[in-house]
Amino acid sequence: KNEVEQSPQNLTAQEGEFITINCSYSVGISTLHWLQQHPGGGIVSLFMLSSGKKKHGRLIATINIQEKHSSLHITASHPRDSAVYICAVRPVQGAQKLVFGQGTRLTINP
Amino acid sequence: KAGVTQTPRYLIKTRGQQVTLSCSPISGHRSVSWYQQTPGQGLQFLFEYFSETQRNKGNFPGRFSGRQFSNSRSEMNVSTLELGDSALYLCASSPTQLAGQETQYFGPGTRLLVL
Repeated sequence: KNEVEQSPQNLTAQEGEFITINCSYSVGISTLHWLQQHPGGGIVSLFMLSSGKKKHGRLIATINIQEKHSSLHITASHPRDSAVYICAVRPVQGAQKLVFGQGTRLTINP
Repeated sequence: KAGVTQTPRYLIKTRGQQVTLSCSPISGHRSVSWYQQTPGQGLQFLFEYFSETQRNKGNFPGRFSGRQFSNSRSEMNVSTLELGDSALYLCASSPTQLAGQETQYFGPGTRLLVL
């Protein structure tokens, strides 16, 4: 079993829909990261969380440390949000070593 | 500030050759991490350097090595290339060595194809 599991693996939605991507992990962590990867490969770090909730524009990320679960929400989705979203955790043991989920491929249709 | 840069962006090699990839972190960043991304395995951690010292290494064979220079630029080397080494190699930098407490900034990656 992977240390980091994401669901769903693929998600297709219509423009304007509310999107939720889930991430569950099995190890103790210091931080959890949400990353966005567009076609072509470049990765952008969206959020780094250790507790609670963060918001940036239409993106919201939450984490529940006790349940070892995080969610990434996108409100009023837009075709430009189409990308692969990757959850990564930094285990308490392992310093800078990020452990990644397999990613969620999001497609927003106009 | 300029972002993380990686050279070359694309590379084609044949089995048995070796390859060196380069990463220049954001100015002032002293920590550099390397990752491999393949369709089958996804993103995997290779190694991380801070102040010219390797602090962590992932589960990769000894054919994969790296180093960091005094100006924080980093190189990774893969010797005796195998077909399975075909991947996108990503480098990421962060300011310091505060373990687990910093956002990493990713470069555009080097896409390596081994024939």
